[in-house]
Amino acid sequence: GAGVSQSPRYKVAKRGQDVALRCDPISGHVSLFWYQQALGQGPEFLTYFQNEAQLDKSGLPSDRFFAERPEGSVSTLKIQRTQQEDSAVYLCASSFIAGGLGQPQHFGDGTRLSIL
Amino acid sequence: QKEVEQNSGPLSVPEGAIASLNCTYSDRGSQSFFWYRQYSGKSPELIMSIYSNGDKEDGRFTAQLNKASQYVSLLIRDSQPSDSATYLCAREGGSSNTGKLIFGQGTTLQVKP
Repeated sequence: GAGVSQSPRYKVAKRGQDVALRCDPISGHVSLFWYQQALGQGPEFLTYFQNEAQLDKSGLPSDRFFAERPEGSVSTLKIQRTQQEDSAVYLCASSFIAGGLGQPQHFGDGTRLSIL
Repeated sequence: QKEVEQNSGPLSVPEGAIASLNCTYSDRGSQSFFWYRQYSGKSPELIMSIYSNGDKEDGRFTAQLNKASQYVSLLIRDSQPSDSATYLCAREGGSSNTGKLIFGQGTTLQVKP
């Protein structure tokens, strides 16, 4: 597709369940980012991949959060034993080349996660 | 102090007026700055990027950067109701030089017909 695609668009889970969120970046984009956006706030960085390598996971809030990009394209963000505070919109973004060079990031529409 | 600060608004302007959105940041080493527009329930959409001191114009949008004073602004001329959205200011940051973005909380703009 032409843009960054995320699925599902909406996810409702019960507290304690595991969830998996998928991101399909723009074809050929080297860099992939995950952000978490709480209601009324700006996105907050979670983790960064350059191809298949996870180079920065400093924003992951706990060890319940895990991300992977095994073949350097599609990425999955997994949250284990979900808590109510995990409720947010999870945004994926990609950029053409390696990060740190002022390259614009292109965002997907996000997955809205609600934990009951 | 937040790394990137914006007034959450709402900022309300009449149609046809100039909307001025401001952003300050705390890290003097920041080099790259971005303005994103986000409609409710949609993804952030890049409007402008700016890397050098001064003004950068693109159509009805002008971004201004002043590194000495550590602020970035976005001017929207001839505001239209379709400009009503949340505007996110972001800087490229992080010691690991990954290109991750650090966002402000966003300013809600309302353009009234």
